[in-house]
Amino acid sequence: SAVISQKPSRDICQRGTSLTIQCQVDSQVTMMFWYRQQPGQSLTLIATANQGSEATYESGFVIDKFPISRPNLTFSTLTVSNMSPEDSSIYLCSVEQGINYGYTFGSGTRLTVV
Amino acid sequence: DAKTTQPNSMESNEEEPVHLPCNHSTISGTDYIHWYRQLPSQGPEYVIHGLTSNVNNRMASLAIAEDRKSSTLILHRATLRDAAVYYCILTYRGGSNYKLTFGKGTLLTVNP
Repeated sequence: SAVISQKPSRDICQRGTSLTIQCQVDSQVTMMFWYRQQPGQSLTLIATANQGSEATYESGFVIDKFPISRPNLTFSTLTVSNMSPEDSSIYLCSVEQGINYGYTFGSGTRLTVV
Repeated sequence: DAKTTQPNSMESNEEEPVHLPCNHSTISGTDYIHWYRQLPSQGPEYVIHGLTSNVNNRMASLAIAEDRKSSTLILHRATLRDAAVYYCILTYRGGSNYKLTFGKGTLLTVNP
């Protein structure tokens, strides 16, 4: 299965600043997915990133707050902009591995906003 | 998306089988049943999936009711490393690149 490298693994940021999270996959994939997991909660899909087109955002998430880049078939970034303490969460990227393998997830970026 | 219902938590003893139930009474004919688990401080991990027939792989077995309104994930011999949150997810699989919608899942505790 694919191996996903996600950076940084954790960060503590000041409110009002922005953080860019990187997701690198060791194989080419059509779509990459970004999730948020708030403390003690389940995962919520933020957006789907397709190479060469604008990301598709889920209800409650907007591009100005969570801009996404997808420059090639193995890489994507998610930026958390103008952060507030409510943005403190784990952010995970994911790719589909094909019908017999399901999704593979990165280990996540644990973000704390102070 | 069709919804699933899972118990909030379950407990098992090491080396005993574990049966994790999932109800999905509104499942449609094109919905696949997926199971993922999330170990502490890790991203979710694919466990197994199926459509109509029971499925087995190296990690677990998936038993699907004949009417598909429920399913059971079976861990044949629980180990301490199986302690995790287990998510039962329905996905429409008209093509590839479907979305996963996570519920609250079942927190499995394995006692030594």
